[in-house]
Amino acid sequence: EVQLVESGGGLVQPGGSLTLSCAASGFTFNNNWMTWVRQAPGKGLEWVANINEDGSDNYYVDSVQGRFTISRNNAKNSLYLQMNNLRADDTAMYYCARATGPGSTHYFDYWGQGTLLTVSS
Amino acid sequence: DIVMTQSPDSLAVSLGERATINCKSSQSILYSSYNKYSLAWYQQKPGQPPKLLIYWASTRESGVPDRFSGSGSGTDFTLTISSLQAEDVAVYYCQQYYSTLFTFGPGTKVDIK
Repeated sequence: EVQLVESGGGLVQPGGSLTLSCAASGFTFNNNWMTWVRQAPGKGLEWVANINEDGSDNYYVDSVQGRFTISRNNAKNSLYLQMNNLRADDTAMYYCARATGPGSTHYFDYWGQGTLLTVSS
Repeated sequence: DIVMTQSPDSLAVSLGERATINCKSSQSILYSSYNKYSLAWYQQKPGQPPKLLIYWASTRESGVPDRFSGSGSGTDFTLTISSLQAEDVAVYYCQQYYSTLFTFGPGTKVDIK
């Protein structure tokens, strides 16, 4: 059974930093791109970043480019999102999801339960 | 970026009746190598993560009831729930994956009338 378990969320002050983690199990982790999707309270879904199978390629939504870094450790079956210079509008539930599809174009077939980030003073 | 729009914002349908949700992309999302449209649909119930329902515009994910179907071409796509059940109350999102800068529609909330 595929499982994705996020952790690391919490309350951070504006300008602060935090790293989210996602522990994967139930599939061959290094066979899939992985992604982070976020959802602000009461709002819709926003794709944040994704990373390829060996971590050598990644993409970001414009609003986080230069502030967030996605990475993975295939030996630990783990995905990460390092977030710097956090802003109030980064407040959201952050979901880790498995990406499936050809090349770098993907839909997301398994999702974690999410971890909540709140950016506030 | 490819902009995804959905209509209506919300709808209320009687149990057993048909629900239809529309999604439009700002440009073609035809993945030419597969001759298929790079369009997925997700269902999100309150307090839960999204669940994949449909991909390649019309392929139902394993385990998804056959009352859910996807269709469309060009830039216009539709998710149809043929006979609405109580457990289908949720917000439904479309997503394009033609561009590596993936984008979702704003969502359509489905309720029971």
